[in-house]
Amino acid sequence: GDSVTQMEGPVTLSEEAFLTINCTYTATGYPSLFWYVQYPGEGLQLLLKATKADDKGSNKGFEATYRKETTSFHLEKGSVQVSDSAVYFCALKTSGTYKYIFGTGTRLKVLA
Amino acid sequence: EAGVVQSPRYKIIEKKQPVAFWCNPISGHNTLYWYLQNLGQGPELLIRYENEEAVDDSQLPKDRFSAERLKGVDSTLKIQPAELGDSAVYLCASSPGSGSTDTQYFGPGTRLTVL
Repeated sequence: GDSVTQMEGPVTLSEEAFLTINCTYTATGYPSLFWYVQYPGEGLQLLLKATKADDKGSNKGFEATYRKETTSFHLEKGSVQVSDSAVYFCALKTSGTYKYIFGTGTRLKVLA
Repeated sequence: EAGVVQSPRYKIIEKKQPVAFWCNPISGHNTLYWYLQNLGQGPELLIRYENEEAVDDSQLPKDRFSAERLKGVDSTLKIQPAELGDSAVYLCASSPGSGSTDTQYFGPGTRLTVL
């Protein structure tokens, strides 16, 4: 069935370091892809999305490109800040049934 | 614009007791979701509503869980009786519809602890 696989955390970086969080997916058809962020004690917030192959989603300095050939949607940011410390979830929305499937999340810790 | 509202934020109960969670979606959003989030895991869908109709409840443990969305706005999720393994965060989300371009927005969740 459809699934999302994320790199395990925690990922610990120094401020201003480059961030990559890997996400790959398995799905039939043409899913939409999402990154959500969850800050401590809060619900998930949409960070960015891409609805078709080769689309690039971007927001707050984060980017991810929908790569159908590698079934990937890796999250990147050029220079992380302490305030980026959170749990990041990759998700897909299946085509047809429009069901959301989430990865297990990757915790990011950014040190000053 | 107000976001998705959930209450209570925290609930502690003894096993075998009933518990209910309430969700008010974003105004105008026809689709409402209830998710279960265990510690260290991503959300898992329990039930999805289109207006007042439950269109996907395949993952809802119907022996003890029930949900309703009367009038297609607010929704309530109930557990009766609760078990120790039900301790988790229960998330509500809503979206304008369930099409390919619709995005879901999450509430803050209700953290349930069953003792």
